[in-house]
Amino acid sequence: KAGVTQTPRYLIKTRGQQVTLSCSPISGHRSVSWYQQTPGQGLQFLFEYFSETQRNKGNFPGRFSGRQFSNSRSEMNVSTLELGDSALYLCASSLGARLTGSTEAFFGQGTRLTVV
Amino acid sequence: QQQVKQSPQSLIVQKGGISIINCAYENTAFDYFPWYQQFPGKGPALLIAIRPDVSEKKEGRFTISFNKSAKQFSLHIMDSQPGDSATYFCAARSYSGAGSYQLTFGKGTKLSVIP
Repeated sequence: KAGVTQTPRYLIKTRGQQVTLSCSPISGHRSVSWYQQTPGQGLQFLFEYFSETQRNKGNFPGRFSGRQFSNSRSEMNVSTLELGDSALYLCASSLGARLTGSTEAFFGQGTRLTVV
Repeated sequence: QQQVKQSPQSLIVQKGGISIINCAYENTAFDYFPWYQQFPGKGPALLIAIRPDVSEKKEGRFTISFNKSAKQFSLHIMDSQPGDSATYFCAARSYSGAGSYQLTFGKGTKLSVIP
């Protein structure tokens, strides 16, 4: 089955602009999490959506927001871009159920955002 | 409390050798410890994972050793191959409430396996 699809793969934006990134999870997966990956900070959790509701949020400013649609696709928005927002933004999908086993997260290839 | 410390940052191993990556954590609420492998231009992919009630898990050439009392776990790659050259991340899962889990990642180890 198809994996996690993130679009676009690459993006260049100017400081002060806003950007919207998209993530289509694996079919049947209802949970979508977003992570920011930078060389200095590594992978940092942004937020998680499940059934169109934000269930969890990491320590990022309010400029970072997201939403999830009824088909489980998710978008992430960053407003008033800063140079420090340059990063690889990764989306991960999972079943989202509290299983007794693993809640394996499958990652997309990411969107490489460069802010100039 | 939420940190996962990973070492070393980079590792060079000869083909056929053993690669060892270590991670340590503080939060006893972590309940699942996966390792991810990431190739350039790709997202992380789950390699192997362990629960804290198990001391060792082996899958092919990859083994996780887990020491609950020391709050440490490590990844061993036996018979390392050039194709194993990638960045490896340890992670720890915690329950955040409302059915939500969160992964806390180590900073990553860049492994280079030389022929």
